[in-house]
Amino acid sequence: GIQVEQSPPDLILQEGANSTLRCNFSDSVNNLQWFHQNPWGQLINLFYIPSGTKQNGRLSATTVATERYSLLYISSSQTTDSGVYFCAVDGPKAAGNKLTFGGGTRVLVKP
Amino acid sequence: NAGVTQTPKFRVLKTGQSMTLLCAQDMNHEYMYWYRQDPGMGLRLIHYSVGEGTTAKGEVPDGYNVSRLKKQNFLLGLESAAPSQTSVYFCASRKKMNQPQHFGDGTRLSIL
Repeated sequence: GIQVEQSPPDLILQEGANSTLRCNFSDSVNNLQWFHQNPWGQLINLFYIPSGTKQNGRLSATTVATERYSLLYISSSQTTDSGVYFCAVDGPKAAGNKLTFGGGTRVLVKP
Repeated sequence: NAGVTQTPKFRVLKTGQSMTLLCAQDMNHEYMYWYRQDPGMGLRLIHYSVGEGTTAKGEVPDGYNVSRLKKQNFLLGLESAAPSQTSVYFCASRKKMNQPQHFGDGTRLSIL
């Protein structure tokens, strides 16, 4: 099956700093989603981005499908950005188009 | 619009007990999924459904059963709970292929 790797595994930021999270995947994909899992365990949809670039406030994401990676940018980080960020993909061969999740990047934003 | 609703939010069971987790979506989505999340890990697929009356196995189906009798509901059953099934369970749905999955808030299940 498709492999998804995220880096870095952990990230500590000072409030106001910018950061980039990376997601590499091993095969062609139909879909790619970025999620934020908050400290209460909820999975929040950030982006649905199989290709191209999208922006939502301080967050933006870029997927280069031909090179099999996606980047999530956090600008002017806030303490509420803390949590775990997951990248998840599904490909044309995935049964039911199930999502395969990466291991996540744990982000801590310090005040 | 409630989206994806999971019931219950928390539950503690004893080994050998049975229970059913309910997932309900009000978005008229065709596809529904049950995942489990274990500490420090991403989500793994248990079972899924591509439409009313259909179900299929995912990566980790052993010990679980599912039913999709109504399009809006997807039930996950544990026939004889084991401590290894202690986890957080997430339900998700999507309208069709090449659409994003939407997740419920999760059910935290502990098996003693």
